[in-house]
Amino acid sequence: SQQGEEDPQALSIQEGENATMNCSYKTSINNLQWYRQNSGRGLVHLILIRSNEREKHSGRLRVTLDTSKKSSSLLITASRAADTASYFCATEPGGYQKVTFGIGTKLQVIP
Amino acid sequence: DTGVSQNPRHKITKRGQNVTFRCDPISEHNRLYWYRQTLGQGPEFLTYFQNEAQLEKSRLLSDRFSAERPKGSFSTLEIQRTEQGDSAMYLCASSLDGRGHEKLFFGSGTQLSVL
Repeated sequence: SQQGEEDPQALSIQEGENATMNCSYKTSINNLQWYRQNSGRGLVHLILIRSNEREKHSGRLRVTLDTSKKSSSLLITASRAADTASYFCATEPGGYQKVTFGIGTKLQVIP
Repeated sequence: DTGVSQNPRHKITKRGQNVTFRCDPISEHNRLYWYRQTLGQGPEFLTYFQNEAQLEKSRLLSDRFSAERPKGSFSTLEIQRTEQGDSAMYLCASSLDGRGHEKLFFGSGTQLSVL
């Protein structure tokens, strides 16, 4: 079963624009992570935010977490064609050690 | 750090055959995960090891699937009597244990096609 749901499922933007993806989850969590996957490859970790944090930055990435709404957002600023990939949120439910993924947002950045 | 290695990269088999995949995690990582991913979907959790102990197994996993991690090093995932619905990318990931080490490192996956 998949814990998270990303929204939108697909997003197409022009290079230089910002891209925002949202993730909603169902149960309480220890942390929430975002991963990126290029077509046919494994996933690469982007950023982690803990349940007691509200916002985190890493380079062009900004992640927010609202535990009351059980939701998170990933913002990629000044997008580049190389950002074209699928993006997944992953949660580690409280009291468990398994990490479960959402269905992903497929981002296309048009040069 | 040589990364997580998965073999084979691709596997084509006939329905009813058994297949086995191997995952070599990053050497000092004690957590190891197996996921299955179909086209357009996110990785679906299959099972999780802490060292050699299999701590959790998805209820979605039928008895045809089994995983081992002898000596807490590499892991194998076996699928018996494969079905066409087993066609998917099988991903392995590893991590250290404990707070501050939650980041998963993924292999490139094994793409299984069941004919």
